[in-house]
Amino acid sequence: DQQVKQNSPSLSVQEGRISILNCDYTNSMFDYFLWYKKYPAEGPTFLISISSIKDKNEDGRFTVFLNKSAKHLSLHIVPSQPGDSAVYFCAASKAGNTRKLIWGLGTSLAVNP
Amino acid sequence: ETGVTQSPTHLIKTRGQQVTLRCSSQSGHNTVSWYQQALGQGPQFIFQYYREEENGRGNFPPRFSGLQFPNYSSELNVNALELDDSALYLCASSLPSGQASSYNSPLHFGNGTRLTVT
Repeated sequence: DQQVKQNSPSLSVQEGRISILNCDYTNSMFDYFLWYKKYPAEGPTFLISISSIKDKNEDGRFTVFLNKSAKHLSLHIVPSQPGDSAVYFCAASKAGNTRKLIWGLGTSLAVNP
Repeated sequence: ETGVTQSPTHLIKTRGQQVTLRCSSQSGHNTVSWYQQALGQGPQFIFQYYREEENGRGNFPPRFSGLQFPNYSSELNVNALELDDSALYLCASSLPSGQASSYNSPLHFGNGTRLTVT
């Protein structure tokens, strides 16, 4: 049972435009959400996070929005750049002593010049 | 600042064999987590070590075991390898949950070890 879902396996966007990556979750106990970016042959790299007490967090070109009632979060990248082309993973965790992340399957983003 | 390093980068083993994967955590991080990422999947949590003890485990059988050393480096051992164990094994280090500064401290991953079981 997939508790974190990324329903779009891939996304293609033109350079300079906005990229919107979506993520849904089913477990209401999740209280911390993260986005990671992964290039081939590398480990995931942390991008941005948000706690459940917030509905928006911004870091440069990256903004994450959280809608708790809909159990939905999204990552906005503005403007998109060719170097943003990678697989993006949404992950979630529950408060506690274990830094256990539950991951989605990822969305492959292609930013075309 | 030294990042998370894993060795080896690639490994080929035969079904039934045993394997040991190694991880050095990022400077200042004393918690290590291991994840398994099968092709086309998201990473799956194997276990976490803090103060040289396992303090969280995912849905993996006992033939997956680990160690953490006083310098916070870690090993993942897998016995009786099966074909389905073929995957990318990722190590991540972090500050432990519970520390005031750790809540927004994300996991920092190494580049992984690609294990192929034939």
